[in-house]
Amino acid sequence: QSALTQPASVSGSPGQSITISCTGTSSDVGGYNYVSWYQQHPGKAPKVMIYDVSKRPSGVSNRFSGSKSGSTASLTISGLQAEDEADYYCISYTSSSTYVFGTGTKVTVL
Amino acid sequence: EVQLVESGGGLVQPGGSLRLSCAASGFTFSDHAMHWVRQATGKGLEWVSGIATAGDPYYPGSVKGRFTISRENAKNSLYLQMNSLRAGDTAVYYCARETGGFFDLWGRGTLVTVSS
Repeated sequence: QSALTQPASVSGSPGQSITISCTGTSSDVGGYNYVSWYQQHPGKAPKVMIYDVSKRPSGVSNRFSGSKSGSTASLTISGLQAEDEADYYCISYTSSSTYVFGTGTKVTVL
Repeated sequence: EVQLVESGGGLVQPGGSLRLSCAASGFTFSDHAMHWVRQATGKGLEWVSGIATAGDPYYPGSVKGRFTISRENAKNSLYLQMNSLRAGDTAVYYCARETGGFFDLWGRGTLVTVSS
């Protein structure tokens, strides 16, 4: 099972919106709605930001939103803030009853 | 307090074995599937194994046959037995709770270093 493909880096200015893509196959992202997104700051454990493609856990800012089209899922951060600078990972359930993470994206706030 | 605490990491020689533990508290452990996720220094997250509430284990190809995940609900504990360790297994290992297909609670991780 190959890692899902994410852009290595995405950047934006404060207040702007950015979108991170997560591309898989019909055996993972395209076949299930069990796609979630995690934010990880340096030296910290990951934190879930989006689950089931587009649902937001309580306590997560509504500036974070998720969507999916075919085998590509996306995370959008609107109104970018300095605290959003972190690494972001997608993960999907697969047809083998396993999970596969994305390659990770470093978000930089300019 | 709802938390997961990993232990058992350390330095091990190539070919050696190590057993990681994860102590859960503050929630009904037996109601949740559990997972191990690792991260090599400066690298991305990698799903290492998962175990269903009924005890069924799941592994990616990279560790299948070398790693064994298990759980002891009476002790609110998750384990990862790692055999035939390689340099490429060096990483921080996180324990994570699954709720409906996503990982909503993570431990702080335990560092495993495979080196001679």
